[in-house]
Amino acid sequence: DVKVTQSSRYLVKRTGEKVFLECVQDMDHENMFWYRQDPGLGLRLIYFSYDVKMKEKGDIPEGYSVSREKKERFSLILESASTNQTSMYLCASISTRAYEQYFGPGTRLTVT
Amino acid sequence: DAKTTQPNSMESNEEEPVHLPCNHSTISGTDYIHWYRQLPSQGPEYVIHGLTSNVNNRMASLAIAEDRKSSTLILHRATLRDAAVYYCILRDDVQGAQKLVFGQGTRLTINP
Repeated sequence: DVKVTQSSRYLVKRTGEKVFLECVQDMDHENMFWYRQDPGLGLRLIYFSYDVKMKEKGDIPEGYSVSREKKERFSLILESASTNQTSMYLCASISTRAYEQYFGPGTRLTVT
Repeated sequence: DAKTTQPNSMESNEEEPVHLPCNHSTISGTDYIHWYRQLPSQGPEYVIHGLTSNVNNRMASLAIAEDRKSSTLILHRATLRDAAVYYCILRDDVQGAQKLVFGQGTRLTINP
């Protein structure tokens, strides 16, 4: 079974803290994605990566950065967390020219 | 990205067929129609996809209109486990990176 795992299911951080969300996939997928999901707004793409050390901005990259040092790992970084970044964060991966994108279980981040 | 339109919610009874509609009048010739669903407290999961012909798999069937401006996801015999938000997504598989643009989806309720 393809597995996309995320480091935490629930996370509580304070405003101004630096936050790392980790995602690991075990299927040697080239492409990895970070989304956030908010009520009424659906899933929105933050960043994606199509190869190691490569990254592309999605629709809402402001306030976020990413790191992809190894093929299996894609990290989302909140340099200085703010309350409007309280959300569900979902990681996904897919093999190039495949059709099925695999999602992790999500991390519910609360910034107080 | 071409847009899709789905009803906000639908309701059905257990063991009955469910037809989930999706309109995509601005679909381009290279857009595939993908369906994902999101069960409560989980990340989205792939259901089915197609280009022009109707498609069947173990989870569902996809009926695509001849002009490709609409499609219908068919669950042949709904169970309580099928209660989820269903997303209809257009994806241009030519461009690579396999980005998915999620709309609001249809929240499906299954009554026992």
